[in-house]
Amino acid sequence: DTGVSQNPRHKITKRGQNVTFRCDPISEHNRLYWYRQTLGQGPEFLTYFQNEAQLEKSRLLSDRFSAERPKGSFSTLEIQRTEQGDSAMYLCASSLGHLNTEAFFGQGTRLTVV
Amino acid sequence: AQSVTQLDSQVPVFEEAPVELRCNYSSSVSVYLFWYVQYPNQGLQLLLKYLSGSTLVESINGFEAEFNKSQTSFHLRKPSVHISDTAEYFCAVSDLGGGADGLTFGKGTHLIIQP
Repeated sequence: DTGVSQNPRHKITKRGQNVTFRCDPISEHNRLYWYRQTLGQGPEFLTYFQNEAQLEKSRLLSDRFSAERPKGSFSTLEIQRTEQGDSAMYLCASSLGHLNTEAFFGQGTRLTVV
Repeated sequence: AQSVTQLDSQVPVFEEAPVELRCNYSSSVSVYLFWYVQYPNQGLQLLLKYLSGSTLVESINGFEAEFNKSQTSFHLRKPSVHISDTAEYFCAVSDLGGGADGLTFGKGTHLIIQP
């Protein structure tokens, strides 16, 4: 297993377009997290799944943001009608069980909205 | 809700010198504490964590951090740094309630090792 994988690594899109990012967690990990990181800031928590259940989504930045984990394995994060302010690094992490276990992060998807 | 303050955005230090990266947190509940490291072009990696028990925790590469409840701090230290320690370091907290709020991160400290 090579760790948490995120695709694409980079995405450039025009304002108003929809984008979707994919995260493949470590295979036995039941928890999956999405974070956003802007320049000069630490990662900001967006949402998380335990298996296929999305247990926290109130921190998603707006109703343009949505995430799924349909079979409890990979996850997608979609941003509809992108805005320039959505430009950021989007990070995915996975863990086995509670947060007191180590969360493994992917290398992220860098989104640029032009 | 929790918050994390890393007062130093950059810390330059000479190779083989000691270093301390400061982290203070605010929370109305008990928390777990973490330090993550991000090397250039790599993802975040857990460096060390405090869950309970001994307030001094150590990593395998010589870093240590001490939980100080009265000062709400979790400063990271290393007695002698190497060029390979150049990275961004993030302090983070989570509540004990099952992780529903995820990890709350500080803004990060860029450790710059000068030869």
